[in-house]
Amino acid sequence: GESVGLHLPTLSVQEGDNSIINCAYSNSASDYFIWYKQESGKGPQFIIDIRSNMDKRQGQRVTVLLNKTVKHLSLQIAATQPGDSAVYFCAENIREYGNKLVFGAGTILRVKS
Amino acid sequence: DGGITQSPKYLFRKEGQNVTLSCEQNLNHDAMYWYRQDPGQGLRLIYYSQIVNDFQKGDIAEGYSVSREKKESFPLTVTSAQKNPTAFYLCASSPTGGSQPQHFGDGTRLSIL
Repeated sequence: GESVGLHLPTLSVQEGDNSIINCAYSNSASDYFIWYKQESGKGPQFIIDIRSNMDKRQGQRVTVLLNKTVKHLSLQIAATQPGDSAVYFCAENIREYGNKLVFGAGTILRVKS
Repeated sequence: DGGITQSPKYLFRKEGQNVTLSCEQNLNHDAMYWYRQDPGQGLRLIYYSQIVNDFQKGDIAEGYSVSREKKESFPLTVTSAQKNPTAFYLCASSPTGGSQPQHFGDGTRLSIL
């Protein structure tokens, strides 16, 4: 299938381990953040979001942490499975830009069985 | 099922030719977006529309045109003025207002013949 991230950072983890994917965002005025998962040849799929008035949000097997002091966002995936292999990227909503999303380039997650 | 449908999945363009990419959504979303994705880069916004019969240029609008005659449809035309059209094109939609995730189609890959 097509690759959408030929030169992206890669995180390799063993099946069953926890994964942590990091994202540095650019604008201190960003008020909303989203994590997406993109499999080869497909469109991005929404995973989880968080508003700037929170520092942690949990979903099913995923947790997003927000550190506004250092403008850092992380996605934690518990008990990583082969089906989690994909490109993951974050997006920030910058209100002063008319609520447009700005996307990071992404991180490739490879899960080894 | 509600979702976003992009067609065709693969498209080839000859020199000097305009091509149109289709995007249809049945999510009843007011806002629709077109992005371009190149290897190793984040999604870049081409055009967006927050309501029928209205649209705005994004960050890389040159060589592209759009229309929004119906709520459900937001076609993108890649004109001959776009000198480097080879890319993966993604359409998204969302409810209007801030703090809302965008939902994506599965993309169209455009190549030059």
